[in-house]
Amino acid sequence: QVQLVESGGGVVQPGRSLRLSCVVSGFTLSNYGMHWVRQAPGKGLEWVAVISSDGSEKYYADSVKGRFSISRDNSKNTVYLQMNSLRPEDTAVFYCVKDGNPKFDYWGQGILVTVSS
Amino acid sequence: EIVMTQTSLSSPVALGQPASISCRSSQNLVHSNGNTYLSWLHQRPGQPPRLLIYRISNRFSGVPDRFSGSGAGTDFTLKISRVEAEDVGVYYCMQATHFPWTFGQGTKVEI
Repeated sequence: QVQLVESGGGVVQPGRSLRLSCVVSGFTLSNYGMHWVRQAPGKGLEWVAVISSDGSEKYYADSVKGRFSISRDNSKNTVYLQMNSLRPEDTAVFYCVKDGNPKFDYWGQGILVTVSS
Repeated sequence: EIVMTQTSLSSPVALGQPASISCRSSQNLVHSNGNTYLSWLHQRPGQPPRLLIYRISNRFSGVPDRFSGSGAGTDFTLKISRVEAEDVGVYYCMQATHFPWTFGQGTKVEI
């Protein structure tokens, strides 16, 4: 079955960096685009970034553009989100999501990122 | 950016009764290829969202047939024909027609 498992979250000070990883199984990663979506505590869903199946195209929400970078290693079945210059408002659960052309068909369990001094 | 606006349910829903959630987009969601990329997601407390409906009315794998979607253009509806206890949580509409992808603010369903 399809599984997406995020890791790399935690507590980080404002201005610091963190890299999230998403290891997938149950499908051929190289055939699908992948997204990151976040949810601040008690709030709704916010799309963050997308990467195409071969990694050649990447797009970001305005709120993270220039600070976050999405990448993938299809040979390792892994998608990454490099987060730099973190701000308190980036505090959220981050979900790795498979793009089912185009529908958000499978979601990971999520990983909490807390930005606080 | 497309703004997705959902209605709130006025009161808790009784088990076995129907429920309906509306979602309105600030722009027409018909893609240039003729498809309308409007989906519905359900998030139970403490769980990640899961896909219920895609392209307005297509139920995703494993979704019970008591869930149905309808609508066109800018107005869309999710209907639950008979609410069950496991249907509690927050329902989100989302659009993937226009960049950036956006979500509604969520509608809470309580029993």
